[in-house]
Amino acid sequence: GESVGLHLPTLSVQEGDNSIINCAYSNSASDYFIWYKQESGKGPQFIIDIRSNMDKRQGQRVTVLLNKTVKHLSLQIAATQPGDSAVYFCAENMMDSSYKLIFGSGTRLLVRP
Amino acid sequence: SAVISQKPSRDICQRGTSLTIQCQVDSQVTMMFWYRQQPGQSLTLIATANQGSEATYESGFVIDKFPISRPNLTFSTLTVSNMSPEDSSIYLCSAHRLADTGELFFGEGSRLTVL
Repeated sequence: GESVGLHLPTLSVQEGDNSIINCAYSNSASDYFIWYKQESGKGPQFIIDIRSNMDKRQGQRVTVLLNKTVKHLSLQIAATQPGDSAVYFCAENMMDSSYKLIFGSGTRLLVRP
Repeated sequence: SAVISQKPSRDICQRGTSLTIQCQVDSQVTMMFWYRQQPGQSLTLIATANQGSEATYESGFVIDKFPISRPNLTFSTLTVSNMSPEDSSIYLCSAHRLADTGELFFGEGSRLTVL
């Protein structure tokens, strides 16, 4: 909704530039990670995931990097477009039978025309 | 992807009342979850909705305040009881399908404002 992202850190980028959104996760036992995009008034949408046995995974215009040593994830968006403006959350789970996802604090991405 | 429908999408409620949110998934899913998203914040897991048994609550959430039902594989309800202004939030239903890796699908959320 209109209040999503109001108090979150904001990254402002020029249209066409690359964006890098960072996330620190909390549980060293987590072995599966997801990036979600949440637009105003909508629920989170899956962007890309990565398992802990990988360091990097690429999708269409997006790349996720995982550094398990420092418990850090990043989402790279190439050639950022106005439609990329949203709040981005990382989420983690332990790939156990619970399938619970624990969400990070989120970053608001603003794309300047 | 699974389509998750929530009702109501938004409501304005009076202090002390209770409201039940419904969540319907268009296909059978293994797990269903309820999250809360307070204004300007991230998502916090309230509980796992278990089919045919009591929900499993996360720390800080209790059944008396957030009773949950899940009578079958595609439907769940969350009740927010005895509401106060601090309960003003977006409540999100999510689900996991056995065929998927670990991603959860989310509904559009139910935005509650408590006066």
